[in-house]
Amino acid sequence: EAAVTQSPRNKVAVTGGKVTLSCNQTNNHNNMYWYRQDTGHGLRLIHYSYGAGSTEKGDIPDGYKASRPSQENFSLILELATPSQTSVYFCASGDEGACAETLYFGSGTRLTVL
Amino acid sequence: GDSVTQTEGLVTLTEGLPVMLNCTYQTIYSNPFLFWYVQHLNESPRLLLKSFTDNKRTEHQGFHATLHKSSSSFHLQKSSAQLSDSALYYCALRNSNNRIFFGDGTQLVVKP
Repeated sequence: EAAVTQSPRNKVAVTGGKVTLSCNQTNNHNNMYWYRQDTGHGLRLIHYSYGAGSTEKGDIPDGYKASRPSQENFSLILELATPSQTSVYFCASGDEGACAETLYFGSGTRLTVL
Repeated sequence: GDSVTQTEGLVTLTEGLPVMLNCTYQTIYSNPFLFWYVQHLNESPRLLLKSFTDNKRTEHQGFHATLHKSSSSFHLQKSSAQLSDSALYYCALRNSNNRIFFGDGTQLVVKP
């Protein structure tokens, strides 16, 4: 079974502060993703990566940076957090497999920006 | 651009009745992959089923879906709803650039 671990599980930050969300996967998947989940908007892609050293912008990258220092780790960075970034964030790794890529999600990080 | 539409935000039905959650998609890619992910309360999304073959029924855990390229649809169905089916269901599309697009999700509530 794929294993994707996110930390922290919950985070409260102040407006203007820096927030780093971490994600680790032990599946040796090349692809990793960061999504945010908001009611009525589903899962929206923030950043993704095809491997160590690479990061790509997703559909809503503004206000976020990403870092992929290794195959296993993929971080999401909010340099100047704002209340609009209050959300649940999911990291996922992708198993390209034989037919189509299956995403394996972490448990999520609930971020509240005050 | 590529997109996925789930028309129902909330579906409420009684246990034992059939389930049908709608999913339509838009893409210029002639061979898209379509997925259904399910997310139970306080859990993370997980794959329920997937397909890339036109007009072929795909089944898993009592649910089934058939990709119809002619109508750009991939509706999720089950013959008899169970209380444990209550969850948030996402339809998703993978295009030629290997990008995955999720719909807004449909919350299914099954009542006794």
